[in-house]
Amino acid sequence: DVKVTQSSRYLVKRTGEKVFLECVQDMDHENMFWYRQDPGLGLRLIYFSYDVKMKEKGDIPEGYSVSREKKERFSLILESASTNQTSMYLCASSNVQGSGANVLTFGAGSRLTVL
Amino acid sequence: AQKVTQAQTEISVVEKEDVTLDCVYETRDTTYYLFWYKQPPSGELVFLIRRNSFDEQNEISGRYSWNFQKSTSSFNFTITASQVVDSAVYFCALSRNNAGNMLTFGGGTRLMVKP
Repeated sequence: DVKVTQSSRYLVKRTGEKVFLECVQDMDHENMFWYRQDPGLGLRLIYFSYDVKMKEKGDIPEGYSVSREKKERFSLILESASTNQTSMYLCASSNVQGSGANVLTFGAGSRLTVL
Repeated sequence: AQKVTQAQTEISVVEKEDVTLDCVYETRDTTYYLFWYKQPPSGELVFLIRRNSFDEQNEISGRYSWNFQKSTSSFNFTITASQVVDSAVYFCALSRNNAGNMLTFGGGTRLMVKP
């Protein structure tokens, strides 16, 4: 069964802390994504990566960075967490399928609370 | 700019009722893809369907059906004879610029099916 695994399901951090959210996929997918989910706003793309060491900004990259040192792993980093980053974070991956739109496989999410 | 609107934030039905989830989109692209994803309480979004803009045929899969109407920019989702297991948040999404890497999501509709 193919999977996207997010290391932490629930995290509580303090303002100013550095936070790492880890995501691993076992499908050998080229593309990986970090989304943020907030009520009423749906999912908003933070960053995505289409290859190792490559990254592209999404719609809301401010306050976040990412790292992709290995194909299967994509990390989201909050350099200095703030209360407005309290949210559900979803990682996803997809394969490259020509010019068509790719189906995303999602992880179960990481709910981050910043106090 | 692209936009996906799911006007119904919450719907509550009694088991065995039919229910339709609305999705209206805006795009200037001539080629695009539309998606529906389901997010059960476990948190992991699950892919339901993908349609491309050239295929306006309605689709039926068991109790699920989708109505794509380009003229009204809508891609509505109907569940026939709803069941408690259908309780979830449902997201409609739109691909961007024929690029499979990025999706614009709607705000989601929470469906509660009561026994």
